[in-house]
Amino acid sequence: AQRVTQPEKLLSVFKGAPVELKCNYSYSGSPELFWYVQYSRQRLQLLLRHISRESIKGFTADLNKGETSFHLKKPFAQEEDSAMYYCALPGAGSYQLTFGKGTKLSVIP
Amino acid sequence: DTAVSQTPKYLVTQMGNDKSIKCEQNLGHDTMYWYKQDSKKFLKIMFSYNNKELIINETVPNRFSPKSPDKAHLNLHINSLELGDSAVYFCASSHPGLAGYEQYFGPGTRLTVT
Repeated sequence: AQRVTQPEKLLSVFKGAPVELKCNYSYSGSPELFWYVQYSRQRLQLLLRHISRESIKGFTADLNKGETSFHLKKPFAQEEDSAMYYCALPGAGSYQLTFGKGTKLSVIP
Repeated sequence: DTAVSQTPKYLVTQMGNDKSIKCEQNLGHDTMYWYKQDSKKFLKIMFSYNNKELIINETVPNRFSPKSPDKAHLNLHINSLELGDSAVYFCASSHPGLAGYEQYFGPGTRLTVT
């Protein structure tokens, strides 16, 4: 069964420190993985998807099939990065996404 | 232009009432969704519609009934509201094909049942 695990509910880092938000997945086949972000009281929005292999707002994520991980990283955290981050992968149904439970990132000034 | 819009933004009502939340998207997408985000920020899919037809119906009480009058709209009607229904409800849409998993979310409707 498809499953996404985000082990940290809350991650606090100081401004300028590196950030790594963990995501592990369980999926049969070749997964397509996503990171979505939700800033305070705003809508959920796509941050990046592994297939495009791009860096958005300084964030990158590499799919590691051996470790079944898709960790989100940023070398230097900024205060505006404070938000809820959700890892997601395709669910059982057509175009269904299964989301992890989310990690709240808090960047301390 | 707002891509996915929801009304109302806030909804406060009493237990036992019936209420509706409306969702509209102007992206020309074929697939629309309803998600529930609880107080712990867990995000869970409730329903998915493709071209006005229901394709996903997760374990949701039958007090919740989605209605899709056309491809651009997916409304959520809730009967006999309960305290546990308090949450933020998000509508989303996506386009089929390779980009099918990139979903565009509405701003959310914060429902409070007292």
